[in-house]
Amino acid sequence: DVKVTQSSRYLVKRTGEKVFLECVQDMDHENMFWYRQDPGLGLRLIYFSYDVKMKEKGDIPEGYSVSREKKERFSLILESASTNQTSMYLCASSLLGGWSYGYTFGSGTRLTVV
Amino acid sequence: DAKTTQPTSMDCAEGRAANLPCNHSTISGNEYVYWYRQIHSQGPQYIIHGLKNNETNEMASLIITEDRKSSTLILPHATLRDTAVYYCIVRAPNWGGSEKLVFGKGTKLTVNP
Repeated sequence: DVKVTQSSRYLVKRTGEKVFLECVQDMDHENMFWYRQDPGLGLRLIYFSYDVKMKEKGDIPEGYSVSREKKERFSLILESASTNQTSMYLCASSLLGGWSYGYTFGSGTRLTVV
Repeated sequence: DAKTTQPTSMDCAEGRAANLPCNHSTISGNEYVYWYRQIHSQGPQYIIHGLKNNETNEMASLIITEDRKSSTLILPHATLRDTAVYYCIVRAPNWGGSEKLVFGKGTKLTVNP
């Protein structure tokens, strides 16, 4: 069964901390994505990557960075966590041309910044 | 990508068919219709997609009108585990470019015992 695994289900961090959210997929997918989901705002794309070391900004990249050193792993970094980054973070992956195959999502990481 | 309109919420009795509508009147010729669902506290799950023909898989059926301006996702025998938010998304293939999915608010389907 194909999988996208997010390293933590729940995370609590302090304001100003550097936070790493890890995502690993075992499907040899080219594309990987980071979304955040907030009540009333739906899913919003933060960053995506279509290849190793490649990244593109999504709709709300401010305050975030990403790293993709290996094809299977895509990390989301909060350089200095703030309370407005408290959210559910969802990682997804797809084959190149994923529009024809669908996207696979992880179970999410619920991050609370206090 | 074309905009979609879905009802905010729907109810369905367990064992009955759930028919979830989606309007996408501005859809263009090369745009596909996708359906995903999100069960509470989980990531979205791909259900089905189509271009113009009706599609069926083990999860659901997708009926697209002839003018492609609307579609219906059908869960033939809804169970309590089908309670979720269902998202209808329309987008075109984009080789080598942005392949992001844009999620709207979706339809909250509640399956009642």
